[in-house]
Amino acid sequence: KAGVTQTPRYLIKTRGQQVTLSCSPISGHRSVSWYQQTPGQGLQFLFEYFSETQRNKGNFPGRFSGRQFSNSRSEMNVSTLELGDSALYLCASSLGRQDSYEQYFGPGTRLTVT
Amino acid sequence: KNQVEQSPQSLIILEGKNCTLQCNYTVSPFSNLRWYKQDTGRGPVSLTIMTFSENTKSNGRYTATLDADTKQSSLHITASQLSDSASYICVVIYLSGAGSYQLTFGKGTKLSVIP
Repeated sequence: KAGVTQTPRYLIKTRGQQVTLSCSPISGHRSVSWYQQTPGQGLQFLFEYFSETQRNKGNFPGRFSGRQFSNSRSEMNVSTLELGDSALYLCASSLGRQDSYEQYFGPGTRLTVT
Repeated sequence: KNQVEQSPQSLIILEGKNCTLQCNYTVSPFSNLRWYKQDTGRGPVSLTIMTFSENTKSNGRYTATLDADTKQSSLHITASQLSDSASYICVVIYLSGAGSYQLTFGKGTKLSVIP
């Protein structure tokens, strides 16, 4: 079975721009979660999508949004980029809700905002 | 404030030796606690998931313990190998009301295994 894939792997954007990141879960997995990882804050939970519905979200501003498609693929969007948004963005998939099932992480997208 | 504290921040051990990583948490009410291994430049990989009623869980050379009374967990690595060099992250999932939950991550322990 193929693992979780994320595209692109690396991205450089300018402050004020917007960006869309993509995540393809493991086949059969219905839950996709997104995380931000920075050296200072570590891993932080952004949101979880299950069956195309946002089921849970962390404490991030509304500039961070996401969606999930009928094939469980998910996208995350960040608008009006700030320098502090530079981070590794990780996607993880699981069979069901993330609090009840093992999560499988993708390799991440490294976003640099200049 | 719900927190997860990991210690030590970093650790260097000789190949073949054992080591123990600590995770203390204050979150409540507790749902489950997870340990992840993250190699440099890669996504985390799940090692163990422990619920409230579990005291010990093993995954090969990795053994996690949980004391829900003292809110402490440890990850013991036996007979370390060079490939164990990675960051180890503790995550606590807790219930936040109305059937919802939140996740709080520790900052991780960076383990270096040297020959």
